[in-house]
Amino acid sequence: EVQLLESGGGLVQPGGSLRLSCAASGFTFSKYAMSWVRQAPGKGLEWVSGLNDNGGNINHADSVKGRFTISRDNSKNTLYLQMNSLRAEDTAIYYCAKGCDTSCYRSDYWGQGALVTVSS
Amino acid sequence: DIQMTQSPSTLSASVGDRVTITCRASQSISHYLAWYQHKPGKAPKALIARASFLESGVPPRFSGSGSGTEFTLTISSLQPDDFATYYCQQYYISPFTFGPGTTVDIK
Repeated sequence: EVQLLESGGGLVQPGGSLRLSCAASGFTFSKYAMSWVRQAPGKGLEWVSGLNDNGGNINHADSVKGRFTISRDNSKNTLYLQMNSLRAEDTAIYYCAKGCDTSCYRSDYWGQGALVTVSS
Repeated sequence: DIQMTQSPSTLSASVGDRVTITCRASQSISHYLAWYQHKPGKAPKALIARASFLESGVPPRFSGSGSGTEFTLTISSLQPDDFATYYCQQYYISPFTFGPGTTVDIK
C-alpha cells in the first residue's frame, strides 16, 4: 500500500524558514517523480514544486521560485521542501504527491498534508 | 504558463443526476490532463489519467473525455459519496497547473 506521510509543518513568522519532509513507503520511491502541492485557506489546489526520479530535473512555480527548494534522498525514501523567506500568502496545507513515472507529474497518490501557518 | 479554467464553479445536483464538468486549457496539452476529487480534511484522490483513463479502484460512473484544449468529466449517476470539489490538472509542461475547481453540492 502506497503511503506518504508529511511532517515538519507548523507556525512560523514572516521571513522565517521551515523544512517539510515526506516519508514514502509501499512503492519503489527512486523510480518516480514527486511533487508538492498546496491549498491555501478557502482556495484551490496549487502545484508548488516537482522533481524527477533522480532529482536531476527540478521545477518550481513562479510564486515560490528563489525561496523554496525541493529535494529528495532516495536512500531514505524521503522528499523534502525547504521553504525560506516565508510570507503570509504561503499559509496552506502542503501535500506530498507521487508521480506516475520517472518524469511524470500526474499525481496518483497523495499524503494527508502538513499545515504551514505564516503569521506574526 | 498554461492557464486552466473550469465550468461551472459550483454545481448543485441530486443523487442520481448526470453531472458534467468542463475544463479548458489556454493552449493544447494533447491528452496530458488529470482529474482529482477533493473532500475537506482529506487527501485529494486521483480519478482520471490521460484525459480518459480511469484510475484503479475508481467507480465506472466516472468518465473523462477530450483532447487538445477542451476536456470533460462526467458522473453518470451521482452518488452521496460524490459530493466534493473536482479539479483538473495539466501535466504537459511545467508549471503543472490546476483548474480553479468545481464544487458539486447537494441540491
